[in-house]
Order: sequence, then structure tokens, then C-alpha cells
Amino acid sequence: AQSVTQPDIHITVSEGASLELRCNYSYGATPYLFWYVQSPGQGLQLLLKYFSGDTLVQGIKGFEAEFKRSQSSFNLRKPSVHWSDAAEYFCAVGGGNDMRFGAGTRLTVKP
Amino acid sequence: NAGVTQTPKFQVLKTGQSMTLQCAQDMNHEYMSWYRQDPGMGLRLIHYSVGAGITDQGEVPNGYNVSRSTTEDFPLRLLSAAPSQTSVYFCATRGGDYYGYTFGSGTRLTVV
Repeated sequence: AQSVTQPDIHITVSEGASLELRCNYSYGATPYLFWYVQSPGQGLQLLLKYFSGDTLVQGIKGFEAEFKRSQSSFNLRKPSVHWSDAAEYFCAVGGGNDMRFGAGTRLTVKP
Repeated sequence: NAGVTQTPKFQVLKTGQSMTLQCAQDMNHEYMSWYRQDPGMGLRLIHYSVGAGITDQGEVPNGYNVSRSTTEDFPLRLLSAAPSQTSVYFCATRGGDYYGYTFGSGTRLTVV
């Protein structure tokens, strides 16, 4: 069965610094991969998705992610973090009717 | 265009009580699902539906029932609430093209 691992429970970065959130997946076929963001008290919002083609995908709010099949990874990056990026981030893998989510990484942004 | 609407937003139940969490969507999506979110565990799939009259179990279905009589609505029923069901519940839909899920804003349920 598919599964997702987000190794970092909590990350703190300074405003303006770069960010990389890690995601590793297990899936038997070519995966559909997603990153979602959840602000406190809110539902999840889709940041970006990968289905096929170019392995570097661009999303909303200046985020990007790179699919690396050899490493079974789909890491999320942002070159310069803003205070408003503080939230919880979820990686997900989906195929068929069952999307599996990682446990999430909470991002704190220091002034 | 509201997307996915969940009610109520907050609920406190006593052990053994029953209740129904409501989910309604106006996106005309066939697929709807229920997840629960617990700290350190991410979101786990409870039940899902691929259309009216069709439901199936997800990863953690025990203690929950669902039905799908219309495209728009997908209620989640707790027949006898237990403290282990204290969680935040999210309803989600997606179109047939796998372009990610649209989530409701969640229901925070506490069972005492």
C-alpha cells in the first residue's frame, strides 16, 4: 500500500531564509504526488501537484517541488520564506480512491 | 460557490451518544471522502464514496457509518461515540482528473 513519510515534525527558519521540507513516498506505480498547507483552524489547501512530465513543479505562493524517482522523494522548497508561510505542511500520495497523507511538518518562521 | 461545507464546526459529545457530521459540496464531484486528523498522524481515510449509492471503507472505518443518497451530500455517522473518536474531521472531494482534493474547514469533535 502507498505511504508517505515526512521525517521532520517541526522546522524553524528565519524570515527570508530558504526552506526545504522533505517527503518520501512508497508507491507501486507512478504516483500522483501533492503538497498541501494547513493554516491553524483551517482545512487543507493544495499547494502543488505532480502527475508526470517535468519533475520540477511550480505551485502557489512561490513554492516548488521536485520529484526524484530514484530517491522516492518529493521535497518542497521555497527560496525565501515569509512570516505568513508559518503553517503545517502535508505531503500526500494518491492513486485510485485512496490518498495517503504524511504526518505533517509544522513550520515556524522567526522574525 | 461554497465548495465543501461541513457542519457543525465544533461538537462535544458524551461517550455513547450518536451524531452525524454533515458534508455538502456544490462542485458536482462524484468522489467524496472523510478523513480524521490526529496530532502526529496526519490525515487518515475513514470512508469514501465514488458516487451516489456507492461507498467503501478506508484505513480507519471502525465506529463510523456513511451513506450517499445524493451527489451533494456525504454524512458521517457516529453510532456510539468513544473518547478515541476525539479528533478533527475533514470532508474532501475531488474531480475525476486527480487534480487534488478540495477540503472543508473541518469539524472539531470532542468525546468526553
